[in-house]
Amino acid sequence: DAGITQSPRHKVTETGTPVTLRCHQTENHRYMYWYRQDPGHGLRLIHYSYGVKDTDKGEVSDGYSVSRSKTEDFLLTLESATSSQTSVYFCATENMPVGPGRNTEAFFGQGTRLTVV
Amino acid sequence: QKEVEQDPGPLSVPEGAIVSLNCTYSNSAFQYFMWYRQYSRKGPELLMYTYSSGNKEDGRFTAQVDKSSKYISLFIRDSQPSDSATYLCAMSAGNSGGYQKVTFGIGTKLQVIP
Repeated sequence: DAGITQSPRHKVTETGTPVTLRCHQTENHRYMYWYRQDPGHGLRLIHYSYGVKDTDKGEVSDGYSVSRSKTEDFLLTLESATSSQTSVYFCATENMPVGPGRNTEAFFGQGTRLTVV
Repeated sequence: QKEVEQDPGPLSVPEGAIVSLNCTYSNSAFQYFMWYRQYSRKGPELLMYTYSSGNKEDGRFTAQVDKSSKYISLFIRDSQPSDSATYLCAMSAGNSGGYQKVTFGIGTKLQVIP
């Protein structure tokens, strides 16, 4: 298995509280991603990082922020959790995104199941 | 209309059957096509990767891409109970530089009955 660890694996939190999810990799991959997975939707990108302190928004970034102070760690923060953020969150990593002459090599973590009550 | 359409199933087949999983898409810029397998309560894992049109075979798995029809397929031969999982298709236009959006299907849940 690729060395990607997400923590916590499960969390229940109350509406309005801040929540931070952590992704730790041992692959030394440059790119890291946070996705959410909901029934009826494919995996949707929240934010991604292309290097230390280099991040950008994905398609569902509202209400989320990220930080990457070290190559191996990518944090996802819900500033003020809402019930619509109840989901399963996946971290993924890859050295380079798919593109000309490059195969995809994305690896996913085990997921964090977050419930906002 | 979603960019990528995938029937969520569930699809139940007897052990040993040939399974056909499919996705259609609307974005003609897609040229990189992936299939991921996701076991219950686990993260997705890359199963097959194909660039542009054509077929790719890996053991019991064959991926096909028909860009003219905007249709991709994953075939599983001699299906096993261990193949029971959700299969996600994913596609990207790719980029010569950095990140290019990857669009995922919602996944098809497959159950192989012993």
